[in-house]
Amino acid sequence: ETGVTQSPTHLIKTRGQQVTLRCSSQSGHNTVSWYQQALGQGPQFIFQYYREEENGRGNFPPRFSGLQFPNYSSELNVNALELDDSALYLCASSSTRDTPNEQFFGPGTRLTVL
Amino acid sequence: DAKTTQPNSMESNEEEPVHLPCNHSTISGTDYIHWYRQLPSQGPEYVIHGLTSNVNNRMASLAIAEDRKSSTLILHRATLRDAAVYYCILRALMGWGGDYKLSFGAGTTVTVRA
Repeated sequence: ETGVTQSPTHLIKTRGQQVTLRCSSQSGHNTVSWYQQALGQGPQFIFQYYREEENGRGNFPPRFSGLQFPNYSSELNVNALELDDSALYLCASSSTRDTPNEQFFGPGTRLTVL
Repeated sequence: DAKTTQPNSMESNEEEPVHLPCNHSTISGTDYIHWYRQLPSQGPEYVIHGLTSNVNNRMASLAIAEDRKSSTLILHRATLRDAAVYYCILRALMGWGGDYKLSFGAGTTVTVRA
C-alpha cells in the first residue's frame, strides 16, 4: 500500500509568483485535506476536497485554491505569493466520515518565498 | 472551533511513562478527541482517538475525564523515537460529506532523555 506522497519536496519562489503543489492520496481514500504549517506552529487547515469539490475551508484568502481529480489526487494553487506564505504545506488523505477516523499525512512541501 | 490547551513542553527519561495533559473545557457532546504526533521533518501521524471511554492501542492510552473537559495521553514506556510534538485535537464535522477537519494547536514538545 502506497502512502501519501507530495511533490515537490522543496520549492523557492519570489513574491507575486504562482505555485502549484501536488498530492497523491493513499489507495482507497476519497478525501484530501490541505494544511499550512509555519515554522514553530501547528498545522492550520486550508481546505478539504471530497468528490472533486471543496468541502470546507479554513481562514485562507481566495488566492489559495485547489483541485481534486477523479483518481482523488489533489493540487494546491497559491497565486500572488507573499512572504508570509513561506511554510510547510501538508496534505492528508482519508476516507469519509463513516469509516475509520485517521488522516494520513504526507511529508509536506517546503515553500520558501523570497 | 472548540479549543484545546496543552503544556508547551515535557521531558521524560527513556523507558519511563509520559503523561500528556490536555484541557478542552468547551468540548461539545459530539466532539471526538484525537491525538496526533509529529516527528522531526515528518508530517503528523495519528496516535489515538476517543469519545467518552478510555482507549488503548499499540502506541498509547487515552484517559478521558468523566466530564470530558480534559484528557491525558499516556505513553507507557517512552523511547527515543517518541520524541516529537504531540497535538491534542477536537475533531470538527465538515460540510456535506467528506471527512472531519483537524484544528491543531501548538502542541506539546516531548523530549526523551537516554
